[in-house]
Amino acid sequence: EAGVAQSPRYKIIEKRQSVAFWCNPISGHATLYWYQQILGQGPKLLIQFQNNGVVDDSQLPKDRFSAERLKGVDSTLKIQPAKLEDSAVYLCASRGRGGPNIYEQYFGPGTRLTVT
Amino acid sequence: AQSVTQLDSHVSVSEGTPVLLRCNYSSSYSPSLFWYVQHPNKGLQLLLKYTSAATLVKGINGFEAEFKKSETSFHLTKPSAHMSDAAEYFCVVSLSYSGAGSYQLTFGKGTKLSVIP
Repeated sequence: EAGVAQSPRYKIIEKRQSVAFWCNPISGHATLYWYQQILGQGPKLLIQFQNNGVVDDSQLPKDRFSAERLKGVDSTLKIQPAKLEDSAVYLCASRGRGGPNIYEQYFGPGTRLTVT
Repeated sequence: AQSVTQLDSHVSVSEGTPVLLRCNYSSSYSPSLFWYVQHPNKGLQLLLKYTSAATLVKGINGFEAEFKKSETSFHLTKPSAHMSDAAEYFCVVSLSYSGAGSYQLTFGKGTKLSVIP
């Protein structure tokens, strides 16, 4: 099966500019996650979707970050305006509905954002 | 609340020697535990998982981990390191329950494994 797709793979912007990332999860996966991975750290959850609804966005900096998952499939994560500390890899992951792999999240390759 | 502590930020081994990556966890409930591997410029890949079945878990590429509740540990081992094992390894804890926050993963800070030829 096709994996989680993300684009772009790399993005360089200046501070105060806007940027958007796109994620296409594995077909049929109801749960979608966005993570932020700062260099030298483990990924940190930003937001979790179940179908097209938000389950948990408690760690999303809502003054500048937004995310949506229209129609319960693809998702976009936006930063507006970007700050230097937003430089990180943004990972998208998806999880199936049940079965023996219910715990497993499948990760995309990530988008590496550099804010200058 | 749940958390994991990876005790070494960097481990260096010679090719063909054993690998030990250490992880301690903290969880208020019975946790599920995972090890993920991240090769440079590649996505995270699940190595193995513990979900309250056998305490000794075997994963891909010859890795295994043992869940020790009394020590709150979940160390990752491999008998013989290969050059291709050089990567970043993350210990991860999850709580499994329905509703908000279900199956969320909390990552450790990672251990970078270097393999010397």
